[in-house]
Amino acid sequence: NAGVMQNPRHLVRRRGQEARLRCSPMKGHSHVYWYRQLPEEGLKFMVYLQKENIIDESGMPKERFSAEFPKEGPSILRIQQVVRGDSAAYFCASSPRQGHEQFFGPGTRLTVL
Amino acid sequence: AQKITQTQPGMFVQEKEAVTLDCTYDTSDQSYGLFWYKQPSSGEMIFLIYQGSYDEQNATEGRYSLNFQKARKSANLVISASQLGDSAMYFCAMRELTGGGNKLTFGTGTQLKVEL
Repeated sequence: NAGVMQNPRHLVRRRGQEARLRCSPMKGHSHVYWYRQLPEEGLKFMVYLQKENIIDESGMPKERFSAEFPKEGPSILRIQQVVRGDSAAYFCASSPRQGHEQFFGPGTRLTVL
Repeated sequence: AQKITQTQPGMFVQEKEAVTLDCTYDTSDQSYGLFWYKQPSSGEMIFLIYQGSYDEQNATEGRYSLNFQKARKSANLVISASQLGDSAMYFCAMRELTGGGNKLTFGTGTQLKVEL
């Protein structure tokens, strides 16, 4: 049973470009969480999704950031018009149901030049 | 207000010794869970141990144990018989279970270095 998969593992973008981060949850998991880790800091919650629904987006920046988890395929975290301050590690986690333990992926390290 | 506080930015321990990493938390929920994760230099987040607020016994997982003192709102991680491979960043996290308990709140971490 493969763990949570994230790709790409490393992503470099220039200011103003778009970044798309993908997360495939563990088999049988329908709940996905995105966290951001700025350099030298702990992880901060961004958004919680269930298939086709955003359940909690209280940690998402108001502009430029969006997330989806379609019926088929991976969850996508999309950052439009990236700025240097978006440089961070973005972690995805999944769980089989609400309130259950979350299993983390290896993260995507985004660098904005 | 910070919900998870880790006051030790860095710790050193000698190989084979025990080490305690501190974590205090703040919540008004009666039902919550506490977690410790290890993040080695490769960057992945590795789950170590979990303690539920209603668990009467302190959690243990191999060389890891959680010293849970509910009245003091502390959940310190104890690593026994430290190994060189334990050198990593360690994060304490909490999930408040009221309302579904969907998100983890993390502390700022403690960088542990195990020395020969």
